[in-house]
Amino acid sequence: AQRVTQPEKLLSVFKGAPVELKCNYSYSGSPELFWYVQYSRQRLQLLLRHISRESIKGFTADLNKGETSFHLKKPFAQEEDSAMYYCALYSGGGADGLTFGKGTHLIIQP
Amino acid sequence: NAGVTQTPKFQVLKTGQSMTLQCAQDMNHEYMSWYRQDPGMGLRLIHYSVGAGITDQGEVPNGYNVSRSTTEDFPLRLLSAAPSQTSVYFCASSYGQGAWNEQFFGPGTRLTVL
Repeated sequence: AQRVTQPEKLLSVFKGAPVELKCNYSYSGSPELFWYVQYSRQRLQLLLRHISRESIKGFTADLNKGETSFHLKKPFAQEEDSAMYYCALYSGGGADGLTFGKGTHLIIQP
Repeated sequence: NAGVTQTPKFQVLKTGQSMTLQCAQDMNHEYMSWYRQDPGMGLRLIHYSVGAGITDQGEVPNGYNVSRSTTEDFPLRLLSAAPSQTSVYFCASSYGQGAWNEQFFGPGTRLTVL
């Protein structure tokens, strides 16, 4: 069965510092990975997906199949980045839904 | 577009009561799903539907029923509520299946079972 691990429940960095939110996955097939974000009092929304290789709001994430990781990075954190971040894996079979990690609460201090 | 809507926002039930959580979307999405989120946990898939008349179980289906009579609506029924079903419930929809299809989430329903 697939699994997504986000080792940090809480990550606090200062504004302007680099940010890296870790995500590791366990899946025997070829995974499709996503980062979802939930800002305060807003609903969960897609931030980025690895297949489109996009940069959204300055965030990027690279799939590393050797290390089974999909870490989310931003070179210079901004206060508006404070939110809950969830890494998710789509396996494409069986339940055909997303498997989510437990989430990392990112706090950007001024 | 209202997107994905869920009602109610909050609900308190007694053990053994039944209720239905409503979910609707106005984006003509074929795929809809229900997740639950418990404290300190990620979202877990309860049931999903790939189109009207078709539903299937997710990771944690026990104690829940669903039906999909229309494209727009995907209600989740708790047959006999238990304290273990205290959670926040999210409904999501997407145009189709697969990694290219962004899932749109509702605002959630916070359910407490006493």
